[in-house]
Amino acid sequence: DTGVSQDPRHKITKRGQNVTFRCDPISEHNRLYWYRQTLGQGPEFLTYFQNEAQLEKSRLLSDRFSAERPKGSFSTLEIQRTEQGDSAMYLCASSLNPTGSGEKLFFGSGTQLSVL
Amino acid sequence: KNQVEQSPQSLIILEGKNCTLQCNYTVSPFSNLRWYKQDTGRGPVSLTIMTFSENTKSNRRYTATLDADTKQSSLHITASQLSDSASYICVVSDNKAAGNKLTFGGGTRVLVKP
Repeated sequence: DTGVSQDPRHKITKRGQNVTFRCDPISEHNRLYWYRQTLGQGPEFLTYFQNEAQLEKSRLLSDRFSAERPKGSFSTLEIQRTEQGDSAMYLCASSLNPTGSGEKLFFGSGTQLSVL
Repeated sequence: KNQVEQSPQSLIILEGKNCTLQCNYTVSPFSNLRWYKQDTGRGPVSLTIMTFSENTKSNRRYTATLDADTKQSSLHITASQLSDSASYICVVSDNKAAGNKLTFGGGTRVLVKP
């Protein structure tokens, strides 16, 4: 499978616990994005990387959230001291530099987080 | 504030019938508009990307239109199949380098019944 892969697919945790998700982008893609999606809503941008550099973080990304992409390949998203409001689907997407018609994003299947 | 509104929120159609989904946006400056299909529990998959100068684009049984003057787009599904059951998300970008500049609509959930 040469698409974007995310692990785990589902995560159930208790409030206050830490969780970490992993995203493996398409191998030659230099950009990697994290989004959050709640039921019935479109995805919301969280943060993105150009190679290993984290270039932007949304105001949605509180200080309990941290993302890394240490070697410019896979990325991790960690949520510390989870809250029930963190329950959502966390989507990862990757892309090459944009073409004239705009950047084409390839999404993973997401990690569904449930905080009890 | 940039916004993308989609209608209807959901619809049910019979297999083989056509349907049209609507998207209105207030994103400025406009760069491109995309339609994605998202199956339940999966990530979105791109159907079309249209720039300002394109007013129609097709991908198999999906045809998207764009009216940049009225800031409206539609996605037409022809001869629907059971596998078309999904959410369809309209996404507008205000910048070519776009992944962090996308405004997502809330989606239209389509259910195709046999």
